[in-house]
Amino acid sequence: SQQGEEDPQALSIQEGENATMNCSYKTSINNLQWYRQNSGRGLVHLILIRSNEREKHSGRLRVTLDTSKKSSSLLITASRAADTASYFCATDARGAQKLVFGQGTRLTINP
Amino acid sequence: DAGVIQSPRHEVTEMGQEVTLRCKPISGHNSLFWYRQTMMRGLELLIYFNNNVPIDDSGMPEDRFSAKMPNASFSTLKIQPSEPRDSAVYFCASSSAGESGDTQYFGPGTRLTVL
Repeated sequence: SQQGEEDPQALSIQEGENATMNCSYKTSINNLQWYRQNSGRGLVHLILIRSNEREKHSGRLRVTLDTSKKSSSLLITASRAADTASYFCATDARGAQKLVFGQGTRLTINP
Repeated sequence: DAGVIQSPRHEVTEMGQEVTLRCKPISGHNSLFWYRQTMMRGLELLIYFNNNVPIDDSGMPEDRFSAKMPNASFSTLKIQPSEPRDSAVYFCASSSAGESGDTQYFGPGTRLTVL
């Protein structure tokens, strides 16, 4: 079964608006990562948040982690057309190196 | 750095044929991962290696799939014989293993179509 589940599956907003995507997972983790995939391309790492962190920022990205609820959110502020992509959360199981990816949120930014 | 390199980028073959996908990880990375991505099943981990040794192949769908890593700079994923349901995009990723869940760097993928 998948470790991470993203919500919503698809999101369409106007350029300049903020986009929020959520991820839920099932087991204890060491860290949680967010990746972006542009159409026809490989995944690109965006940000990593460790289990002892609650919030992390990187440019226009803000990630939160609530280990008690086993959930994370990714906020993209002041969205741009170039942010159109699919976004995946990925979790590791404690003691395991491999990552398990969710199904992703397909984000469309309308100009 | 050139990043993770995969070849071929596209492969079209007929059912029953052998298919070999290739991957060159980022120099200095000691972990390598093979994934398969489809619309129905999303991104699935097939197998991963640490220091050229297969660690977890529980995601390999069946005996038709095999993967090797003869040295630190090269890995192959072979499907023999191929079937139409193997059609997917196959990604290779590498990371510098220091602790669980290190950032993975993905290649551009190989789009496989089995007719």
